[in-house]
Amino acid sequence: AQSVTQLGSHVSVSEGALVLLRCNYSSSVPPYLFWYVQYPNQGLQLLLKYTSAATLVKGINGFEAEFKKSETSFHLTKPSAHMSDAAEYFCAVSVNYGGSQGNLIFGKGTKLSVKP
Amino acid sequence: EPEVTQTPSHQVTQMGQEVILRCVPISNHLYFYWYRQILGQKVEFLVSFYNNEISEKSEIFDDQFSVERPDGSNFTLKIRSTKLEDSAMYFCASIRGGGAVGTQYFGPGTRLLVL
Repeated sequence: AQSVTQLGSHVSVSEGALVLLRCNYSSSVPPYLFWYVQYPNQGLQLLLKYTSAATLVKGINGFEAEFKKSETSFHLTKPSAHMSDAAEYFCAVSVNYGGSQGNLIFGKGTKLSVKP
Repeated sequence: EPEVTQTPSHQVTQMGQEVILRCVPISNHLYFYWYRQILGQKVEFLVSFYNNEISEKSEIFDDQFSVERPDGSNFTLKIRSTKLEDSAMYFCASIRGGGAVGTQYFGPGTRLLVL
């Protein structure tokens, strides 16, 4: 079975500061990992995904995440926060069943606030 | 850019009533999903659907729930007799499929309130 733990339900940073959102996963098989962002009253938008290629994954809006198997982590970072980054961020894990992608297992989410 | 759409955006219903939530997945996608998010909690998987049948479902997806693809475009979630605890945001998602690990595209959600 797979699971995801996101440390910190709320993270607050100043504009221009480093953003670090933590995600640890548990999976009995090689996982696929995702970060989604949810803006208020909107659906989930994919930021980036890890699919067993490069361990450092670059996504949209300047975000990136590094897959570390030894630490079972997939933390999301951005060097410099913008006000527009304020949203809720969800880490998710999935496995691939014979070519068809299984369902996503989500973490509880981290709400990011950006102070001017 | 193609997107997943959902209707209605909000629905209020009385306990015990049936509701149908509608989704139009991206047109060339083959796998369809329903998730829900109870206020303040994580997004939870309900059911996946492929080739006109359920491929996987969670323990949440009991006999009160059903899914259907009545035509070539719509994908519906029916809750037969709603309970207070069914109040949540319901998201539809779709993916192209075909072997590569693709991206699940999510709709904007339907907020269901059961009174």
